[in-house]
Amino acid sequence: GENVEQHPSTLSVQEGDSAVIKCTYSDSASNYFPWYKQELGKRPQLIIDIRSNVGEKKDQRIAVTLNKTAKHFSLHITETQPEDSAVYFCAASRATGTASKLTFGTGTRLQVTL
Amino acid sequence: GAVVSQHPSRVICKSGTSVKIECRSLDFQATTMFWYRQFPKKSLMLMATSNEGSKATYEQGVEKDKFLINHASLTLSTLTVTSAHPEDSSFYICSARDDRGQNYNEQFFGPGTRLTVL
Repeated sequence: GENVEQHPSTLSVQEGDSAVIKCTYSDSASNYFPWYKQELGKRPQLIIDIRSNVGEKKDQRIAVTLNKTAKHFSLHITETQPEDSAVYFCAASRATGTASKLTFGTGTRLQVTL
Repeated sequence: GAVVSQHPSRVICKSGTSVKIECRSLDFQATTMFWYRQFPKKSLMLMATSNEGSKATYEQGVEKDKFLINHASLTLSTLTVTSAHPEDSSFYICSARDDRGQNYNEQFFGPGTRLTVL
């Protein structure tokens, strides 16, 4: 099955700096890669996702890059703000309808300090 | 749109009792629902996948007789933790997906249920 590794486990940045979180996956058939933000005791919320037919996607301060050859994808947050502090999870799945399921990374606790 | 609710949000029960958790998709039809378990400061671990009208598919190591899943309609799935023990205490989260739409990969998560077994 799929295995997703995520680094770093914790990340502390100053407000205004950029944050980068990296994930690798093992299943070359995976082609859907979402990123979730989870605040303490809350549900995971999708912040951005990318499919394997593109190499990069951007949404305001958030961007995701995908390298299919190397089987890794990264989340980039620019101009970080205190409200970006949360745990971020990457995930990967195949896009084969009812058979597809998400495999999550281990999470990155991002702390944005003033 | 794409709202998923979960009930109850928090439950405390005695060891040996059973607890039922409901997951509802409020504004869309969920052809597939997922149940996850999350321990403190850990990732989401998939327990099982359920499709409306059919038996759930459990992940390796998850006891199907202990964690009963029913997906009776396109908007409701239930997870029953039978004969609960303290080690079953966890945060249980469901998610729902419509496999027929354009964004068929996207899963929408419920708010979670915190189960504490005394």
